[in-house]
Amino acid sequence: GAGVSQTPSNKVTEKGKYVELRCDPISGHTALYWYRQSLGQGPEFLIYFQGTGAADDSGLPNDRFFAVRPEGSVSTLKIQRTERGDSAVYLCASSFGLDYGYTFGSGTRLTVV
Amino acid sequence: EDKVVQSPLSLVVHEGDTVTLNCSYEVTNFRSLLWYKQEKKAPTFLFMLTSSGIEKKSGRLSSILDKKELFSILNITATQTGDSAVYLCAVEAQGDDKIIFGKGTRLHILP
Repeated sequence: GAGVSQTPSNKVTEKGKYVELRCDPISGHTALYWYRQSLGQGPEFLIYFQGTGAADDSGLPNDRFFAVRPEGSVSTLKIQRTERGDSAVYLCASSFGLDYGYTFGSGTRLTVV
Repeated sequence: EDKVVQSPLSLVVHEGDTVTLNCSYEVTNFRSLLWYKQEKKAPTFLFMLTSSGIEKKSGRLSSILDKKELFSILNITATQTGDSAVYLCAVEAQGDDKIIFGKGTRLHILP
């Protein structure tokens, strides 16, 4: 597609539930990143994919968070047993590589009630 | 620990004013500094700076990097209400695959 697409744009879920957030990157971009942005903060790195593999998952806060990119294109961020502190905007970005800069999606605003 | 500090955190000016946004950083093996504009959710790319003293310019926006003093500024001249946004500064390190963001400067332009 023309840009990075994220769905849903908004998600409200109850504490303890499981959620999946989807990112569809720009066609041909091999690198895909997930960031989380809390209110009043800059985006914080979660995980980076190069192709199908997670090259760096050092930003995932705990084992409730997991992400996959099985075919090297679409990625899904999965959060188990959601907590109120998980409420944030989850941003996805894709790139041909670091020298080319990132293109961000519009994000998914997750609210855990 | 790598970090990016932006100032001011918020700024309110009148249309037509000129503003300067600041970004200081500490990073091991600096590779580049980036500026983004975030209006609603998606940050949009403004500039990538890798060399000291070379100004990057795009319309009314310009930016410069000082690698000795470890800071960058983003200037916006003749501001317009459409410039209202959060401006994010970020740095990349050599051999790293992620960028570290500051908290941003929230700029509000009054008509």
